[in-house]
Amino acid sequence: SQKIEQNSEALNIQEGKTATLTCNYTNYSPAYLQWYRQDPGRGPVFLLLIRENEKEKRKERLKVTFDTTLKQSLFHITASQPADSATYLCALANTGNQFYFGTGTSLTVIP
Amino acid sequence: GAGVSQSPSNKVTEKGKDVELRCDPISGHTALYWYRQSLGQGLEFLIYFQGNSAPDKSGLPSDRFSAERTGGSVSTLTIQRTQQEDSAVYLCASSLLRQASYEQYFGPGTRLTVT
Repeated sequence: SQKIEQNSEALNIQEGKTATLTCNYTNYSPAYLQWYRQDPGRGPVFLLLIRENEKEKRKERLKVTFDTTLKQSLFHITASQPADSATYLCALANTGNQFYFGTGTSLTVIP
Repeated sequence: GAGVSQSPSNKVTEKGKDVELRCDPISGHTALYWYRQSLGQGLEFLIYFQGNSAPDKSGLPSDRFSAERTGGSVSTLTIQRTQQEDSAVYLCASSLLRQASYEQYFGPGTRLTVT
């Protein structure tokens, strides 16, 4: 079955730096990959989707890459702010119907 | 506009009891998902409804779990004879399945504790 791994340890970075989170997968060939943000006690909130034929996608301070050879997605937050502190989840799908989620990476941006 | 709502927000039940969790999706969203999130774990897919099609139940962990969606809107997840390992946050999401994003809109979840 598919396996999705994200940074298992929490990530702490200084405000203003770029945060980079990884999402690795095995036994799967997703056509779509999404990133979500989850704050404590709340449901995830959609951030970005990238397709298998797209290498990179940007949205404001966010940048996502998708390397189907390495079976990896990188999620970057540039000029990070304390308000970016949250857990970030990646999700993969073959079709648009069913997404499999990773365990998430906790990010803390230190002022 | 109104987002996805779930009720109750918290539920404490005794082992062996049945529970029902409710999800009100965003109006007009044809797809509805149920997930389970345990402490330190990712979202575990449980079941997916899409329009009038038969639901995808492939993620239900046992036959104690069932779900229905009435009138293409409200959904109820039922857990019979609850066990302690059922304790988790149960999240519902709905989607228009727009091909631009396949964005899922999540509710706040129901925290289930089985004692």
